[in-house]
Amino acid sequence: DGGITQSPKYLFRKEGQNVTLSCEQNLNHDAMYWYRQDPGQGLRLIYYSQIVNDFQKGDIAEGYSVSREKKESFPLTVTSAQKNPTAFYLCASKKGAAGQETQYFGPGTRLLVL
Amino acid sequence: AQTVTQSQPEMSVQEAETVTLSCTYDTSESDYYLFWYKQPPSRQMILVIRQEAYKQQNATENRFSVNFQKAAKSFSLKISDSQLGDAAMYFCAYKPGGYQKVTFGTGTKLQVIP
Repeated sequence: DGGITQSPKYLFRKEGQNVTLSCEQNLNHDAMYWYRQDPGQGLRLIYYSQIVNDFQKGDIAEGYSVSREKKESFPLTVTSAQKNPTAFYLCASKKGAAGQETQYFGPGTRLLVL
Repeated sequence: AQTVTQSQPEMSVQEAETVTLSCTYDTSESDYYLFWYKQPPSRQMILVIRQEAYKQQNATENRFSVNFQKAAKSFSLKISDSQLGDAAMYFCAYKPGGYQKVTFGTGTKLQVIP
């Protein structure tokens, strides 16, 4: 089945540690996105990528980094510079064609700080 | 800046009844898209319905329909014949055409009472 997978489902981070969240899609979508969700808030955009080897900062990119070496994969690294990383992280993708505006989401990763 | 406002943090509806969730947005764009996403307890974001701003006809998907009032910048979601499985957080979202960023509201938590 086509879809978006995220792993792990739960992730624990120690102080000063970098952690990487995985996002993979087999929908042949060009664009991919990372969002952060905090309680009582909507989704906030961290980074997005429209094509391979290219990505742009979203609204809250500080303390995060991404790469897009393959069309199918868009991993997110939460660095030690992110002082409040505890949140739910959602990855999304969409087709690149004009008019294909709907984003489809993965199941999410819950990140907790020890 | 575009904003999306969901003024009802929580709503409840009796099973089999109808409920309407409100959403307003602010934009100066003429080409844009509006979405309602459902987030059940599993936290997977699921597209419920979408509306293109250039379409005058309100979108419908089975028991879900919208009331799109472009001049008033209002985009409410009506759920008919509510079912227990409709219990979830519902997010209204806005995306200008040609841009990558989607702006989400803060969500409305819908409770369905048996």
